[in-house]
Amino acid sequence: EAQVTQNPRYLITVTGKKLTVTCSQNMNHEYMSWYRQDPGLGLRQIYYSMNVEVTDKGDVPEGYKVSRKEKRNFPLILESPSPNQTSLYFCASRRTSGIGEQYFGPGTRLTVT
Amino acid sequence: AQSVTQLDSHVSVSEGTPVLLRCNYSSSYSPSLFWYVQHPNKGLQLLLKYTSAATLVKGINGFEAEFKKSETSFHLTKPSAHMSDAAEYFCVVSLPDYGGATNKLIFGTGTLLAVQP
Repeated sequence: EAQVTQNPRYLITVTGKKLTVTCSQNMNHEYMSWYRQDPGLGLRQIYYSMNVEVTDKGDVPEGYKVSRKEKRNFPLILESPSPNQTSLYFCASRRTSGIGEQYFGPGTRLTVT
Repeated sequence: AQSVTQLDSHVSVSEGTPVLLRCNYSSSYSPSLFWYVQHPNKGLQLLLKYTSAATLVKGINGFEAEFKKSETSFHLTKPSAHMSDAAEYFCVVSLPDYGGATNKLIFGTGTLLAVQP
């Protein structure tokens, strides 16, 4: 089954404790992206990757890091989480060519206390 | 600059009545437009997409949307609402893919659809 998976689905952590949210897709997509969803703001792009070893900032990259060492994986790293990073996070992937839909993961709800 | 505006943050309809969720966009390019649906505690699912072919686009679950360039609108409609349609709906504009240009989705702020029995 074609899908994007994220882990963990729920995470409660404390300020300053480094964490990683994993994202994996099995569709051989070149393009992957991370979004955060906050009430009244829709989804905002954090980082994206056009292909392996190619990443770039989205609209709200501060406080986040990403890496793309393999085509299928695109982890999101919070080196020192803060309460304002409490949010619902989505990973997505798509083919680079054409105007195809993005496939979204199920989401990771992060709470930073 | 590209942007998308969803005109209603909340819409409430009765089961069996029509649904209209409004979306206006602003784009310097010929836009690609999407509607996504998010059911409670779920990820986003594509309902339909417009990519410069037919202006009336049919999607899943009986939804459709009409691209109106003169009005810069892409409203989502359904003739008869079902209880299972209760969800949040996002209108999305995509920057066109000009061979290596940024493939970016710009999301509206969402419309929460409630369906009353």
